[in-house]
Amino acid sequence: DVKVTQSSRYLVKRTGEKVFLECVQDMDHENMFWYRQDPGLGLRLIYFSYDVKMKEKGDIPEGYSVSREKKERFSLILESASTNQTSMYLCASSLNPGLGTEAFFGQGTRLTVV
Amino acid sequence: TQLLEQSPQFLSIQEGENLTVYCNSSSVFSSLQWYRQEPGEGPVLLVTVVTGGEVKKLKRLTFQFGDARKDSSLHITAAQPGDTGLYLCAGEKGNNRLAFGKGNQVVVIP
Repeated sequence: DVKVTQSSRYLVKRTGEKVFLECVQDMDHENMFWYRQDPGLGLRLIYFSYDVKMKEKGDIPEGYSVSREKKERFSLILESASTNQTSMYLCASSLNPGLGTEAFFGQGTRLTVV
Repeated sequence: TQLLEQSPQFLSIQEGENLTVYCNSSSVFSSLQWYRQEPGEGPVLLVTVVTGGEVKKLKRLTFQFGDARKDSSLHITAAQPGDTGLYLCAGEKGNNRLAFGKGNQVVVIP
């Protein structure tokens, strides 16, 4: 069974903390993505990576960075967490979205910044 | 500006009724995908449509891709409580990215 696993289902962090969200996939996919999902705003792309050590900004990269040192792992970093980063974070991987191939999602991390 | 507009945003129906939700855009897509997301979980792919005018069926779900490849619809026949969820459409945006609509929240009341 193919799997994308996010390290935490729920996280509560304080304003100003550095936060790491981890995502691992076991499908040998080239592409990995981080989205955030907010009511009324849908899924918005934060960053994506199409290869190890490669990354590209999505639509809302401000306040975030990413790391992809190994093909199977893609980390999202909140350098200094703020309350407006309270959200559901979804990681996904895909073989090649440009060919209409499936994006596999993790179960999500609900982050609350207080 | 949202690339993909989904309507209606929210729909509540009784078990056994039929429903149709829509995904519209002014852009042409090479393919369009539909996902279903249940509360507290990540989206799961239901179908990918590629050819203009294409119709795909998945049990009681029927997906149609518009002739011009700008829009799509999802029709559910005899809805069941298990069909409850957020239905998301996604189009390939170029550069290996998917653009998602905001979703159609469907609630089927037993």
